[in-house]
Amino acid sequence: AQSVTQPDIHITVSEGASLELRCNYSYGATPYLFWYVQSPGQGLQLLLKYFSGDTLVQGIKGFEAEFKRSQSSFNLRKPSVHWSDAAEYFCAVHFGNEKLTFGTGTRLTIIP
Amino acid sequence: EAQVTQNPRYLITVTGKKLTVTCSQNMNHEYMSWYRQDPGLGLRQIYYSMNVEVTDKGDVPEGYKVSRKEKRNFPLILESPSPNQTSLYFCASSPEFGPLHFGNGTRLTVT
Repeated sequence: AQSVTQPDIHITVSEGASLELRCNYSYGATPYLFWYVQSPGQGLQLLLKYFSGDTLVQGIKGFEAEFKRSQSSFNLRKPSVHWSDAAEYFCAVHFGNEKLTFGTGTRLTIIP
Repeated sequence: EAQVTQNPRYLITVTGKKLTVTCSQNMNHEYMSWYRQDPGLGLRQIYYSMNVEVTDKGDVPEGYKVSRKEKRNFPLILESPSPNQTSLYFCASSPEFGPLHFGNGTRLTVT
């Protein structure tokens, strides 16, 4: 069955430290992959997307993600987090049909 | 400015009183969709539309209706709301298989 998994419900990181948020999917082919961020009281904003080509994609706000076909993963990374990165992050996947399936989200807390 | 506009932002109603949440986009997108967001469950798709007069059920369509009479509008209708429909609702639009553009959400409380 097609599915998207974000194994970490909540992550706490010190300001200035590096960050990696995990996303795994279950699908027989290469899907379209997205990361969205939701700040409190706001809608979701696209951080980056992967359709094909270079497996390391750059996004807004200094984020990047790497598609690893062998691991069915699309992990989000940032070398040095800022307090303003505190938000909820959603991985989303198009499995080749009309639907976009979201993971359950990872809440990121930044400590000084 | 390119945007998806939802109204209202907040809505409190009582069980059984019909309501409509409006959604409009100005980007000429073919695809529009409604999601509900609940703690621990992420975003779940209610209904989506690939184009005018074409709508399909998502993962949690029970208790909801939609219509797509014009390309820009995609209202969500709750004919007889119940407390389990208390949630945060998002409308979104996109070009085909493109990234979604989200509205700012509607927080609905049904008592």
